[in-house]
Amino acid sequence: DVKVTQSSRYLVKRTGEKVFLECVQDMDHENMFWYRQDPGLGLRLIYFSYDVKMKEKGDIPEGYSVSREKKERFSLILESASTNQTSMYLCASSPSGVTSYNEQFFGPGTRLTVL
Amino acid sequence: LAKTTQPISMDSYEGQEVNITCSHNNIATNDYITWYQQFPSQGPRFIIQGYKTKVTNEVASLFIPADRKSSTLSLPRVSLSDTAVYYCLVAVNAGGTSYGKLTFGQGTILTVHP
Repeated sequence: DVKVTQSSRYLVKRTGEKVFLECVQDMDHENMFWYRQDPGLGLRLIYFSYDVKMKEKGDIPEGYSVSREKKERFSLILESASTNQTSMYLCASSPSGVTSYNEQFFGPGTRLTVL
Repeated sequence: LAKTTQPISMDSYEGQEVNITCSHNNIATNDYITWYQQFPSQGPRFIIQGYKTKVTNEVASLFIPADRKSSTLSLPRVSLSDTAVYYCLVAVNAGGTSYGKLTFGQGTILTVHP
């Protein structure tokens, strides 16, 4: 089974702090994704990466950056956390291919609270 | 950009068949339609995917009409454990290295009653 792990289930940070959310997948998938999930808004894509060091902006990249130095690891960075970034953050991975990249495997999520 | 629209919530009873429809009027030629299930405090889980007509697996069926502007997820004989949020996903410009933006619908909260 594909396993996607996220560094923390719960995280509390203060406004202005730099925050790192880590995601690791163990199935050698080319694609990795970061989403945030908020009540009433569903899942919104922040960034995705289709290869090491490659990234593309999603729908809501403002206030976030990402890093993918190794294939199995995709990091989401909040340069200066703000209260409106309080949310559930979900990481996902998928293999390459026309149809298979839609079959994403999600991690358990990190619930981030910014005070 | 293919936007999806789903009902916000649905109610059903154990043993009934449930059909959840997703509207995606601007679906592109190369787009595939995918459905996910999400339980509280968990990440979404892939259920089924299709391009046209009908697809069936051990969990659900997916019906896609010829114009592909909508799709219907069918869950046969639901149980209490099927209570979850169901998301319809349409992939935009999928394929090769030119990945487009992924668009999740807002999700349908399905509640199955005893």
